[in-house]
Amino acid sequence: DAGITQSPRYKITETGRQVTLMCHQTWSHSYMFWYRQDLGHGLRLIYYSAAADITDKGEVPDGYVVSRSKTENFPLTLESATRSQTSVYFCASSDGSGGHAGELFFGEGSRLTVL
Amino acid sequence: GNSVTQMEGPVTLSEEAFLTINCTYTATGYPSLFWYVQYPGEGLQLLLKATKADDKGSNKGFEATYRKETTSFHLEKGSVQVSDSAVYFCALTHGAGYSTLTFGKGTMLLVSP
Repeated sequence: DAGITQSPRYKITETGRQVTLMCHQTWSHSYMFWYRQDLGHGLRLIYYSAAADITDKGEVPDGYVVSRSKTENFPLTLESATRSQTSVYFCASSDGSGGHAGELFFGEGSRLTVL
Repeated sequence: GNSVTQMEGPVTLSEEAFLTINCTYTATGYPSLFWYVQYPGEGLQLLLKATKADDKGSNKGFEATYRKETTSFHLEKGSVQVSDSAVYFCALTHGAGYSTLTFGKGTMLLVSP
């Protein structure tokens, strides 16, 4: 199906475990993003990527790792999960060019609980 | 740095009431401004945008005007419906080719029949 998909949609894990959230988009958008959504904080940017093999830190990158070997995929890894990383994670993509800068397409979110 | 401030919610209205959700911003230069909407259990989706001062963005009966003199981008709708119940996010970004958005904290809207 066309669009942007995240998996898993729900995940429960324990402190210290590694977790990877997957994100796949079918539009060949150059930009991809990971945000976390927490009550009282709105959405905060974790990492973003302007193209394959190009990634950069956002506002809250500590404890997270990303990679982008292919344009369509942008996985987010929590190398050693902590309770403070309990959140809803959103992946987004954007063409990013010209007048479409800022027009993001979001996935449905991945709800992560760290016990 | 850039920042976006929205009125705190929830905003509770009856169907057909007039809606205003306030949004002000701090940014250098000339940002583009956006409103995104998040329906329950879903990701965000773009509602409307404005890229320069005095521009009015509109979609689905919602409107917002880019006011540089007051650094504001308030969202309005003349007659809300129950189906408009959602969380609304104001956001900004800088210039063409730079897509990173700075979001406000969101305002929940609850519309009752």
